[in-house]
Amino acid sequence: AQTVTQSQPEMSVQEAETVTLSCTYDTSESNYYLFWYKQPPSRQMILVIRQEAYKQQNATENRFSVNFQKAAKSFSLKISDSQLGDTAMYFCAFMKHFGNEKLTFGTGTRLTIIP
Amino acid sequence: NAGVTQTPKFQVLKTGQSMTLQCAQDMNHNSMYWYRQDPGMGLRLIYYSASEGTTDKGEVPNGYNVSRLNKREFSLRLESAAPSQTSVYFCASSEALLQGTDTQYFGPGTRLTVL
Repeated sequence: AQTVTQSQPEMSVQEAETVTLSCTYDTSESNYYLFWYKQPPSRQMILVIRQEAYKQQNATENRFSVNFQKAAKSFSLKISDSQLGDTAMYFCAFMKHFGNEKLTFGTGTRLTIIP
Repeated sequence: NAGVTQTPKFQVLKTGQSMTLQCAQDMNHNSMYWYRQDPGMGLRLIYYSASEGTTDKGEVPNGYNVSRLNKREFSLRLESAAPSQTSVYFCASSEALLQGTDTQYFGPGTRLTVL
């Protein structure tokens, strides 16, 4: 079974600064997907970024980028030039590549951007 | 496109009452899912449907039933609600199971309280 661990329950950072959220996972699979989802106070789950395990290149989406370390089973999210709208819960999630669509979520990190 | 919609947004039930949570997607996705989110935990999969006419249990199926009414709609039923089912419920959909893992898109959630 897969497990996803987010060891930072809460974080805060000044607006415009850079912040990194940590995620580690445990799996015996070789092919899989990793995701970061954002959940603002509206409660909507919003996909931030996705990484395929077979790709060595780290995914980026505008101000959001990941540091994917497959051997270490680590998948951190970096938010650059943080904005007030980035205030939210952030969940790391794992999914097998084939045959099982189940998303396994971490417990989340509550990120607060301070004006 | 509305994406994934859920009704109702909020619901209060008494122990033993029944209710159905409705979910619909307009993205022509094949796969649909029901998750629950409890405080301090990530989302956990209740049931999923890989295609119209099929349903499978997820991590926490006890006390729930589902119906994949057609390609668009996937409902979750609580036959006899219990306080342990107090949670926020999310519906999600993704494009295709057989073609490999794909990104799941979430609805806005239903906050259910069982007294």
